[in-house]
Amino acid sequence: SAVISQKPSRDICQRGTSLTIQCQVDSQVTMMFWYRQQPGQSLTLIATANQGSEATYESGFVIDKFPISRPNLTFSTLTVSNMSPEDSSIYLCSVDFSGETQYFGPGTRLLVL
Amino acid sequence: GDSVTQMEGPVTLSEEAFLTINCTYTATGYPSLFWYVQYPGEGLQLLLKATKADDKGSNKGFEATYRKETTSFHLEKGSVQVSDSAVYFCALSSGGYQKVTFGTGTKLQVIP
Repeated sequence: SAVISQKPSRDICQRGTSLTIQCQVDSQVTMMFWYRQQPGQSLTLIATANQGSEATYESGFVIDKFPISRPNLTFSTLTVSNMSPEDSSIYLCSVDFSGETQYFGPGTRLLVL
Repeated sequence: GDSVTQMEGPVTLSEEAFLTINCTYTATGYPSLFWYVQYPGEGLQLLLKATKADDKGSNKGFEATYRKETTSFHLEKGSVQVSDSAVYFCALSSGGYQKVTFGTGTKLQVIP
């Protein structure tokens, strides 16, 4: 496994604004993933991020709302754009080193007022 | 598509009780199976995994056996502690950097 960190750990935002969440890994990794966990719910995959290529989004998620960057093998960002209260969730990044197991970051707890 | 079904919670147990959380899955091929745990206010931690039929994953006194014939991966622990209070997620992956499919989670509360 590896050390995975996310910033910010939590935030309270006003509707209509955007928030960029950072995910940092202490070793190089091929695949990074972004998940959303709505209150009291399970995890839903937003997109898969490969270094050097555009992110692949799951059904129901679009790039304009959740733009993702993956500038190198240890870092990725997810932006939640034009936020509404329905975007209040925990956002988690995960990494997969070997195509076998995903390891998760601590999550970013977002509340939109 | 792939899916995971796990027992609904919350589950409330007294300390030192026996724990079982049921999990069944539907998948094509031969997925890997996982249990993740989410402690209050934290992210997900991998608790244990099994990658092929009849494998038993174990960690921290928890164990689960990959049962292909019943498509199940039930989580068990012989004697729970208050510190085990958390939400437990059963999950599967078809491997090869594919996404993980999660169950809905089961909240466990252990009372002294």
